[in-house]
Amino acid sequence: GDSVTQMEGPVTLSEEAFLTINCTYTATGYPSLFWYVQYPGEGLQLLLKATKADDKGSNKGFEATYRKETTSFHLEKGSVQVSDSAVYFCALRRTQGGSEKLVFGKGTKLTVNP
Amino acid sequence: NAGVTQTPKFQVLKTGQSMTLQCAQDMNHNSMYWYRQDPGMGLRLIYYSASEGTTDKGEVPNGYNVSRLNKREFSLRLESAAPSQTSVYFCASINPRGGGVGGELFFGEGSRLTVL
Repeated sequence: GDSVTQMEGPVTLSEEAFLTINCTYTATGYPSLFWYVQYPGEGLQLLLKATKADDKGSNKGFEATYRKETTSFHLEKGSVQVSDSAVYFCALRRTQGGSEKLVFGKGTKLTVNP
Repeated sequence: NAGVTQTPKFQVLKTGQSMTLQCAQDMNHNSMYWYRQDPGMGLRLIYYSASEGTTDKGEVPNGYNVSRLNKREFSLRLESAAPSQTSVYFCASINPRGGGVGGELFFGEGSRLTVL
């Protein structure tokens, strides 16, 4: 079945460090891929997305490229800030038999220290 | 525009008690979902409703029931709460037809449930 695997956390970085959170997926067909972010005490919100191979999603300095050949969608940011401290979820979505399938990774907690 | 609204935000129950978590969305979305979030487990799908009048089991449906009351509302009921159901519950909605957002899920702020 479909699955999403993302790197185990927690991840602790200093401000202005480079961030990579790895995400790989298993799915049939051509899913859309997403990164969601959850700030403390809040629900998840969409950070960025890519709907087809080689697409690059970007938002708030974060980027991720849909790599079909490696079934990956790694999240990167060149210079993290304290305000980026949150839990990040990789997810895939595809349509099967008229219904939506949505699968989330287990989340990676990021803490950025000043 | 409120998005997805969940009530209550916090609840403490005793084992065996029942309760209903309410969820409403004002975005005219077809599909709605209930997830639970536990430490180290990420998000797990409990039930979903692809459209008004339909509901389907997700990954962890045992001990829960749902009702898709109308297009806006999707409630989750615990008939006899157990300590294993202590969790944070999230409702979400999506319009699979996209509407320009590529099928983005919109989440409520969560309901933190503790079962003693």
